[in-house]
Amino acid sequence: SQQGEEDPQALSIQEGENATMNCSYKTSINNLQWYRQNSGRGLVHLILIRSNEREKHSGRLRVTLDTSKKSSSLLITASRAADTASYFCATDASGAQKLVFGQGTRLTINP
Amino acid sequence: NAGVTQTPKFRVLKTGQSMTLLCAQDMNHEYMYWYRQDPGMGLRLIHYSVGEGTTAKGEVPDGYNVSRLKKQNFLLGLESAAPSQTSVYFCASTAFGSGANVLTFGAGSRLTVL
Repeated sequence: SQQGEEDPQALSIQEGENATMNCSYKTSINNLQWYRQNSGRGLVHLILIRSNEREKHSGRLRVTLDTSKKSSSLLITASRAADTASYFCATDASGAQKLVFGQGTRLTINP
Repeated sequence: NAGVTQTPKFRVLKTGQSMTLLCAQDMNHEYMYWYRQDPGMGLRLIHYSVGEGTTAKGEVPDGYNVSRLKKQNFLLGLESAAPSQTSVYFCASTAFGSGANVLTFGAGSRLTVL
């Protein structure tokens, strides 16, 4: 079964608004990552947050991690049309040598 | 740098036919992975390798075989293709001992089994 579950499955907002996506997972992790996938393309790494971190920023991206609730959120501020894509969380479970991906959130930015 | 290259990009098979997907990376990465992506299912791990000559099963290994004879290449084989194997296949790689398995993905291989 998948480690990560994402919410919502789809999100549609107006350009300039903020977009928030959530990810929940089941077991202890070393780190949690977020990836973006444009239509018909491979996944691209966005940001990584380690289990001992609570918040991390990268440009317009802000990621939070709550290990007590086994959840993470990805915030994209001041969204742009180019942010239209699917976003996936992936967890690196303790002792594992592989990432397990969630089902993804499909984000649409309307001009 | 090419990064991770997958061939072929598209393939149509008939049920029962066999084929091999090739993944090549030029980053000297130790770990390599094969995922499949189906609508609404996210990415599911098929097989992976933590070094030349080693392979391990992932979440959905049935119907697939893999080989890692050279460090830079990871092959995914379908011995007798079934319609359930219609999917988009992604290869990914990462460096060993990086402290975090940040994956570099290929562009994907779209396989249709009729």
